[in-house]
Amino acid sequence: NAGVMQNPRHLVRRRGQEARLRCSPMKGHSHVYWYRQLPEEGLKFMVYLQKENIIDESGMPKERFSAEFPKEGPSILRIQQVVRGDSAAYFCASSPAGGNTQYFGPGTRLTVL
Amino acid sequence: AQSVTQLGSHVSVSEGALVLLRCNYSSSVPPYLFWYVQYPNQGLQLLLKYTSAATLVKGINGFEAEFKKSETSFHLTKPSAHMSDAAEYFCAVTAGGGGADGLTFGKGTHLIIQP
Repeated sequence: NAGVMQNPRHLVRRRGQEARLRCSPMKGHSHVYWYRQLPEEGLKFMVYLQKENIIDESGMPKERFSAEFPKEGPSILRIQQVVRGDSAAYFCASSPAGGNTQYFGPGTRLTVL
Repeated sequence: AQSVTQLGSHVSVSEGALVLLRCNYSSSVPPYLFWYVQYPNQGLQLLLKYTSAATLVKGINGFEAEFKKSETSFHLTKPSAHMSDAAEYFCAVTAGGGGADGLTFGKGTHLIIQP
């Protein structure tokens, strides 16, 4: 059973460009979570999604950031007009419906030049 | 609302010595608690979890943790450190009761193993 998949593993963008990060949950998992890890800091919760629904986006910056988890395909975290402060590692986690344990992917390391 | 405090951003122990990583939490509802380990440039791997069953929880790689409600603690221990234990360790909390909420993490403890 494959784990949580994230791609790309590394992403370089120039200021003002868009970044798209993808996450495929573990087979059978219908809940997806996104977290951001800034240098020298712990992980911060960003958003929690189920298929076609955003359940909790209390950790998402109000502007430029959006997330979706369509009926088919991976979950996408989209960052528009990236700035240097967006440089971080972005982790996706998934859990099954009714489950209380989140399983993490390897992360996408975003570098904004 | 929940919060986690991990005492000591860096902990250094000798190989073969006891490992103790401290975690204190704050939660307005009964919590679920987790320890994750992160190796350099990798994702997080679940070590163990407390979900209101036994208060002493055993995990992978010889680690265990004890939930102490009176002390609001969930410290991680291992009797004998191994070089391969060198990594970043994160304690996390979420609201218990089976709900699926985002995790609140501590800032992490970097475990250094001295030969």
